[in-house]
Amino acid sequence: DAGVTQSPTHLIKTRGQQVTLRCSPKSGHDTVSWYQQALGQGPQFIFQYYEEEERQRGNFPDRFSGHQFPNYSSELNVNALLLGDSALYLCASSLGTGIGYTFGSGTRLTVV
Amino acid sequence: SQKIEQNSEALNIQEGKTATLTCNYTNYSPAYLQWYRQDPGRGPVFLLLIRENEKEKRKERLKVTFDTTLKQSLFHITASQPADSATYLCAPRNQAGTALIFGKGTTLSVSS
Repeated sequence: DAGVTQSPTHLIKTRGQQVTLRCSPKSGHDTVSWYQQALGQGPQFIFQYYEEEERQRGNFPDRFSGHQFPNYSSELNVNALLLGDSALYLCASSLGTGIGYTFGSGTRLTVV
Repeated sequence: SQKIEQNSEALNIQEGKTATLTCNYTNYSPAYLQWYRQDPGRGPVFLLLIRENEKEKRKERLKVTFDTTLKQSLFHITASQPADSATYLCAPRNQAGTALIFGKGTTLSVSS
């Protein structure tokens, strides 16, 4: 039973560029949440997708957008990258309004 | 605004001792509270959940208490081992379906 899969594992981008991160949820899960974790900080909630729609959003600018596909996988897009966007991006999946989240190992994004 | 505070960023203890981590929250009325463990460069892993009507929950060497009057949860690891060294995150949740919001975490270091 595969857990949450994220790709790529590492990524280096230049300021101003755009990036797309991908997430495949755990088998049987239909809800995907994205988090940004800067070094030494707790995960910060970006947004959550359920039934292909953004259900809830954290305090992130519109440069951060996402998508959920019919197979429940999800993408996180970040436009006009800033140095401050450098972080570990975590995807978590759950079943509906389920309680426990299963996290992937994350994508380490470095903006130079 | 909602706030989650976890005690001192780092906690250093000797092997065999009990580690106690604190999670205080404000402007929440959590239906339950979750604790996660995170190792460096990895995603958080769910450990325990305690509901508002439960005072205490145990799982092997782990014990969690929940005091809704004090707005506080305590997380105990008894007979600590070096393998318990990690960052521990708490996440109070008002109701199922709302996004999981994390505290900054407490980094525990157990020395042999």
